[in-house]
Amino acid sequence: GAGVSQSPRYKVAKRGQDVALRCDPISGHVSLFWYQQALGQGPEFLTYFQNEAQLDKSGLPSDRFFAERPEGSVSTLKIQRTQQEDSAVYLCASSQPAGAPDTQYFGPGTRLTVL
Amino acid sequence: GDSVTQMEGPVTLSEEAFLTINCTYTATGYPSLFWYVQYPGEGLQLLLKATKADDKGSNKGFEATYRKETTSFHLEKGSVQVSDSAVYFCALSLNKFYFGSGTKLNVKP
Repeated sequence: GAGVSQSPRYKVAKRGQDVALRCDPISGHVSLFWYQQALGQGPEFLTYFQNEAQLDKSGLPSDRFFAERPEGSVSTLKIQRTQQEDSAVYLCASSQPAGAPDTQYFGPGTRLTVL
Repeated sequence: GDSVTQMEGPVTLSEEAFLTINCTYTATGYPSLFWYVQYPGEGLQLLLKATKADDKGSNKGFEATYRKETTSFHLEKGSVQVSDSAVYFCALSLNKFYFGSGTKLNVKP
């Protein structure tokens, strides 16, 4: 079956531009997570949705980062006024159960480069 | 706070050698523990997991035992193959996931 998909796979932005990254989770998965992975590092938690509700956004690094999942399926991570330090791979993961996360299924990621 | 520490890489081994990648954790509760693997050019995949103390997770010849007394979840494999070359991430799950920084494994023929 289809896994988690993300688009675009690669994005180059000029500093100051806004970007939008899309995640299509596995159908029926209740939980959706966004992570930021810097080069040579492990993924770092950004935010968590249970259906359409954003239950935890404690990892968002600044108010330039915004995520939504309006219908409880597809999610968009938006970064406003991008900075060079935003360059990273952004990973989306989904999980079937609600509540405490169990096994997560990861998408291939979007590599964002800010020039 | 909750965190995971794993051994730095890269780790370079010859085919059929024994592998250990160390992982220790700090947690305020009783986490589930995971090993994820990232093959070149691919996304993160679950390798194995353990949900409570003394549980052993295993898959594809890899094993890890949840040791509460030493707060560890070391990854082992008795005989590595070239195809095991990848980056391995240890992770814990409480209310969210916390990942280690990854250990790159290079297996030479």
